[in-house]
Amino acid sequence: EVQLVESGGGLVQPGGSLRLSCAASGFTFSNYEFNWVRQAPGKGLEWVSYISSSGSTIYYADSLKGRFTISRDNARNSLFLQMNSLRAEDTAVYYCARGALQLGSDSFPTGFDYWGQGTLVTVSS
Amino acid sequence: EIVLTQSPGTLSLSPGEGATLSCRASQSVSNIYLAWYQQKPGQAPRLLIYDTSSRATGIPDRFSGSGSGTDFTLTISRLEPEDFAVYYCHQYDSSPYSFGQGTKLEIK
Repeated sequence: EVQLVESGGGLVQPGGSLRLSCAASGFTFSNYEFNWVRQAPGKGLEWVSYISSSGSTIYYADSLKGRFTISRDNARNSLFLQMNSLRAEDTAVYYCARGALQLGSDSFPTGFDYWGQGTLVTVSS
Repeated sequence: EIVLTQSPGTLSLSPGEGATLSCRASQSVSNIYLAWYQQKPGQAPRLLIYDTSSRATGIPDRFSGSGSGTDFTLTISRLEPEDFAVYYCHQYDSSPYSFGQGTKLEIK
C-alpha cells in the first residue's frame, strides 16, 4: 500500500524557518518525481515545488522567491521542504504528492496520484 | 505560466443529475497533461482523471474527462451523494505547474 506521511509542521513566527518531511512507503521511492502542494485555510490548491526522481531537476513556484528548498533522500525514502523567511501568507496545509514514474530518461506522467494527509504550517506572532 | 480558470465557481445540482465542469487554460496544454481532483472537507485531494481523459485507479466510470488545447471538461454522468465536493483541474505540462481555483459542487 502506498503511503505518504508528512511531518514537521507547526507554529512559527514570521521570519522563522521550518523543515517539512514526507516519509514514503509501499513503492520504489527513487523511481518517482515528487511535489509539494499547499492549501491556505479556506482556499484552493497551490503548487509549490517539484523534484525529479534523482533530485537533479528542481522547480519552484515564482511566488516563493528563493525562500524554499526542496530535496530528497532516496536511501531514506524521504522528501523534504526547507522553508525560510516565513511569512503569514505561507500559512497553509502542506501536502507531498507523488508525480510521474521515471525510468532512466523516460518519464510517465499520470498527474499527482498519491497525496499525504498534509501538515499544517502556521506563521504567526 | 499557464493560468487555469474553472467555471462555474459553484454548481448546485441534485443527486441523479449530470454535472459539467469546465477548465480553461490561458495557453495550450500541449501534451494533454491535464488532471482533475476531488477534495472533500478535511481530506487530501484525490486524483480522478489524468492525461485529460484517463480515469485513475478505482474511479467509477460516471466520471469522464475530455478536451484539448485550452478547453477541458470534467463530466459526472449521474451524481451520487458522495460526489458533492470541490473539484480542481491541474496542468502538469510545464513548470510552473498550476491548479484552477476550484468548482464547488453542492446539493441543490
